[in-house]
Amino acid sequence: DGGITQSPKYLFRKEGQNVTLSCEQNLNHDAMYWYRQDPGQGLRLIYYSQIVNDFQKGDIAEGYSVSREKKESFPLTVTSAQKNPTAFYLCASGPLAGDILLAKNIQYFGAGTRLSVL
Amino acid sequence: LAKTTQPISMDSYEGQEVNITCSHNNIATNDYITWYQQFPSQGPRFIIQGYKTKVTNEVASLFIPADRKSSTLSLPRVSLSDTAVYYCLVGGPYTGGFKTIFGAGTRLFVKA
Repeated sequence: DGGITQSPKYLFRKEGQNVTLSCEQNLNHDAMYWYRQDPGQGLRLIYYSQIVNDFQKGDIAEGYSVSREKKESFPLTVTSAQKNPTAFYLCASGPLAGDILLAKNIQYFGAGTRLSVL
Repeated sequence: LAKTTQPISMDSYEGQEVNITCSHNNIATNDYITWYQQFPSQGPRFIIQGYKTKVTNEVASLFIPADRKSSTLSLPRVSLSDTAVYYCLVGGPYTGGFKTIFGAGTRLFVKA
């Protein structure tokens, strides 16, 4: 069935280690997003992508990297430069910005990955 | 991007109607108003979206006055399972980018 899948559900990172969070969607959406959520807080945008091989920084991109080699996939790497990576990470997808006649500005979220530091 | 302001938290009882108001004074002509619901340790889920007047679906109603500077999400006869965080977002398609801003949301706690 259609949806957006994030894996793993829980992830632990050691000091100085890079870790990659997976996000896959079969909704045929052009746009994909990564958010970070800290306890009791709203979502903050890390990176977003509107098309394959292109992505833009969000509000808190430092210490993170992404790639968009396929329409269906948008993995997020949390690098060792991110000194406070413990958070709940959410991936979302949605119609392209120019698809005004489609569902406007609606994003579909995965179940999230909870990242902790050992 | 239009900034939104909504109450930090609200309490209600089962069976009551809950109205959550969101202020968005700087809403642009092309902006839509969208509400999401988030349960603990889950991703947000789309509830309802509107541009003006009133929109109703099987889950909620959205009331938008003529000046569009605010909107009210109405949840009829809430149950314990409606305890969640509710986010109000304002935005629309922009050339060269597409961003949304999730604030802290409104924490709704439904009591028995």
